[in-house]
Amino acid sequence: GAGVSQSPRYKVTKRGQDVALRCDPISGHVSLYWYRQALGQGPEFLTYFNYEAQQDKSGLPNDRFSAERPEGSISTLTIQRTEQRDSAMYRCASSSQLGNEQFFGPGTRLTVL
Amino acid sequence: GQQLNQSPQSMFIQEGEDVSMNCTSSSIFNTWLWYKQDPGEGPVLLIALYKAGELTSNGRLTAQFGITRKDSFLNISASIPSDVGIYFCAGHNNAGNMLTFGGGTRLMVKP
Repeated sequence: GAGVSQSPRYKVTKRGQDVALRCDPISGHVSLYWYRQALGQGPEFLTYFNYEAQQDKSGLPNDRFSAERPEGSISTLTIQRTEQRDSAMYRCASSSQLGNEQFFGPGTRLTVL
Repeated sequence: GQQLNQSPQSMFIQEGEDVSMNCTSSSIFNTWLWYKQDPGEGPVLLIALYKAGELTSNGRLTAQFGITRKDSFLNISASIPSDVGIYFCAGHNNAGNMLTFGGGTRLMVKP
């Protein structure tokens, strides 16, 4: 596609439910990154992939968070047993090579009630 | 938590004025990037810097990669109303391919 797309754009869920957030990177981009952005702050790293391999997941807050990119393209970030503190904007970015410029999607705003 | 200190946190200026914002870090970065974020949108890349001392321009925007590799600044000349938004610096280092972001500078321009 022309840019990074994310779905859904908005997700409201009840505490305890699982959610799956999707990212479709720019076509041909090798690397895919997940970030979380709190209101009034810059994005904070969660995890990233090169092709289908998860290279670094050190930013995932706890084991309720997981991500996959099984075919090296679309990625899903899953949050199990959501808690109110998980409420944030979740952003995806992709880049064509390791360490090059990262291009961001519009984000998914998650609200946990 | 974030490792980049970005200042100022906010600026309110008159249209036509020049703007300067900067980022400092306690650790070295090999790449500095500057992004702009509009309300409801994702960060949009403005300028990328790859070499210590590098000075790069993109229209009215000019950014520099500090010699020590621990700082960068962004200048906007002759500001216009559409410059309004939040500007983020971001650094990338050898520890991984993640970007570390500053806290952002909120720019407001009075017509």
